[in-house]
Amino acid sequence: LAKTTQPISMDSYEGQEVNITCSHNNIATNDYITWYQQFPSQGPRFIIQGYKTKVTNEVASLFIPADRKSSTLSLPRVSLSDTAVYYCLVGPLSDYKLSFGAGTTVTVRA
Amino acid sequence: DAGVIQSPRHEVTEMGQEVTLRCKPISGHNSLFWYRQTMMRGLELLIYFNNNVPIDDSGMPEDRFSAKMPNASFSTLKIQPSEPRDSAVYFCASSFSQTNEKLFFGSGTQLSVL
Repeated sequence: LAKTTQPISMDSYEGQEVNITCSHNNIATNDYITWYQQFPSQGPRFIIQGYKTKVTNEVASLFIPADRKSSTLSLPRVSLSDTAVYYCLVGPLSDYKLSFGAGTTVTVRA
Repeated sequence: DAGVIQSPRHEVTEMGQEVTLRCKPISGHNSLFWYRQTMMRGLELLIYFNNNVPIDDSGMPEDRFSAKMPNASFSTLKIQPSEPRDSAVYFCASSFSQTNEKLFFGSGTQLSVL
């Protein structure tokens, strides 16, 4: 399984863009990159998933460079309610045992 | 759809007592997962069911833990006897396929064993 490394924490202010980078140097050819968000006292929530280049949805964008050794989750114009833990998972779609790791705690301040 | 429903939301019990956690997956989903989350160990996969059949229970910590899925709309995780070290948040998740494409998590059960 590809090992991931992401910052433990990040601070931001309302209205700013937050970019969280996840390193996965040993990503395999059939691995996908998936991000989840977890609010306090709730279960993780799927945000976005991608394989290469750029994926965008109503919540976030995921940027994946050509070598796929890292990826960046971009949250545009964050609000206080975006304060959460963000997890980067890397592995094949067939793998149900992906590790969530420690995640990145994003704190948005007014 | 109401999403994945777990009950109870909170459970406080004494050491040695039996604890049963319940989960109703999203209708139509054929995979169900039980996770445990603690500060020390993060999110750990305990057991995975596909089409109501346990596929992988290698994450179940010991024989005191058991899980069942009698039908497509209900699963239980039982701890007997419970111990203080079992205190954690237990999450149930379901997905439409056997893959990790998109897991839907419940709100969890906060278990405290005194």
